[in-house]
Amino acid sequence: NAGVTQTPKFQVLKTGQSMTLQCAQDMNHEYMSWYRQDPGMGLRLIHYSVGAGITDQGEVPNGYNVSRSTTEDFPLRLLSAAPSQTSVYFCASSYSWGGPGNEQFFGPGTRLTVL
Amino acid sequence: QQPVQSPQAVILREGEDAVINCSSSKALYSVHWYRQKHGEAPVFLMILLKGGEQKGHDKISASFNEKKQQSSLYLTASQLSYSGTYFCGTVISYNQGGKLIFGQGTELSVKP
Repeated sequence: NAGVTQTPKFQVLKTGQSMTLQCAQDMNHEYMSWYRQDPGMGLRLIHYSVGAGITDQGEVPNGYNVSRSTTEDFPLRLLSAAPSQTSVYFCASSYSWGGPGNEQFFGPGTRLTVL
Repeated sequence: QQPVQSPQAVILREGEDAVINCSSSKALYSVHWYRQKHGEAPVFLMILLKGGEQKGHDKISASFNEKKQQSSLYLTASQLSYSGTYFCGTVISYNQGGKLIFGQGTELSVKP
């Protein structure tokens, strides 16, 4: 049971390049989310999904696209990278929502630098 | 919509107590607490649902006052292992389950 996995761990992009951050979980979780973390800003929600085929925007969705074709995978696409997207990106998943024990499990993160 | 945490940082000696507060301008359905150590991913501590319940986790407990849209995290007899950044996350309604919004974090340092 690998939990939540993210690839790559580190990435350097040039302004204008595109790329996809991968996230996968093997816990059969319905809920998955993407966060970015910047110093002093906490964890900010980019996009989230409540099941395969269903996604919605979070606090800071601009410049990012997501899709959820399977329960296991939730990739995050940067369409045209900008220096403002330099950050640490975390993917998280949970089995359900709201009740006791429905904790989010976080992946190890991807550190992205945009030059 | 982001909840506000206070204080932003706190330094303790081993054995001392601390309280971290989390406030929202919107009515809340649930409050979630996580701890993140430097260079690691956040780790779940507890969830509180509206109803004013208080939960405990070893010497870490929390309360949720839904009328004030506030939650507090209590750390008693702090240990070195409690050091890290604490985040509260909020969900404003059951219909928005999955949309967990975090505060900016409180950095806690426990010194020997």
